[in-house]
Amino acid sequence: AQSVSQHNHHVILSEAASLELGCNYSYGGTVNLFWYVQYPGQHLQLLLKYFSGDPLVKGIKGFEAEFIKSKFSFNLRKPSVHWSDAAEYFCAVGAATDSWGKFQFGAGTQVVVTP
Amino acid sequence: GAVVSQHPSRVICKSGTSVKIECRSLDFQATTMFWYRQFPKKSLMLMATSNEGSKATYEQGVEKDKFLINHASLTLSTLTVTSAHPEDSSFYICSARDQGGASGYTFGSGTRLTVV
Repeated sequence: AQSVSQHNHHVILSEAASLELGCNYSYGGTVNLFWYVQYPGQHLQLLLKYFSGDPLVKGIKGFEAEFIKSKFSFNLRKPSVHWSDAAEYFCAVGAATDSWGKFQFGAGTQVVVTP
Repeated sequence: GAVVSQHPSRVICKSGTSVKIECRSLDFQATTMFWYRQFPKKSLMLMATSNEGSKATYEQGVEKDKFLINHASLTLSTLTVTSAHPEDSSFYICSARDQGGASGYTFGSGTRLTVV
């Protein structure tokens, strides 16, 4: 069975600081990897995804993530956070052979950005 | 881009009553939709996979008789919480697979169910 682990449940950063959120997964086969963001009061939005190819994936709003197969990791990064990046971030994993869209989600990381 | 509309966004119901939540794909056909439940301060848990024209596939531990799923058309899936109890209070989210789209997978805005 798949599982997804997000290392930090709560992260507090100053504006302009760099952000890195960890995500590790457990699955024996080929996976599709995603990061979603949920702003307060809003629904989930896709930040970026990895299916194959270049393991460094660039998403919206200046976010990027790197797939390291040997480490079963897909960490999310942003060089300089803005106050508007305060949100909850979810890593999700889907088996590439499974019904596309059937995901396991991590527990989420709440990001707080201070002035 | 692909849009999934979920309705209602909030609903309060009395214990013992049933509540229906709709999930519509507005500009694409979705042969497969997914229903998730999000507990407070926790992640999304997949409840079931809704397949157009056939029975839904439920995840382990999800009561199929309590959470009835119907996917009668390529653009509509419904989740009915039957004989709701306070412990069913939660945030329910649907998603649909946009087979031809770049995003591939779009979430609805969710339904906050409160059972009193």
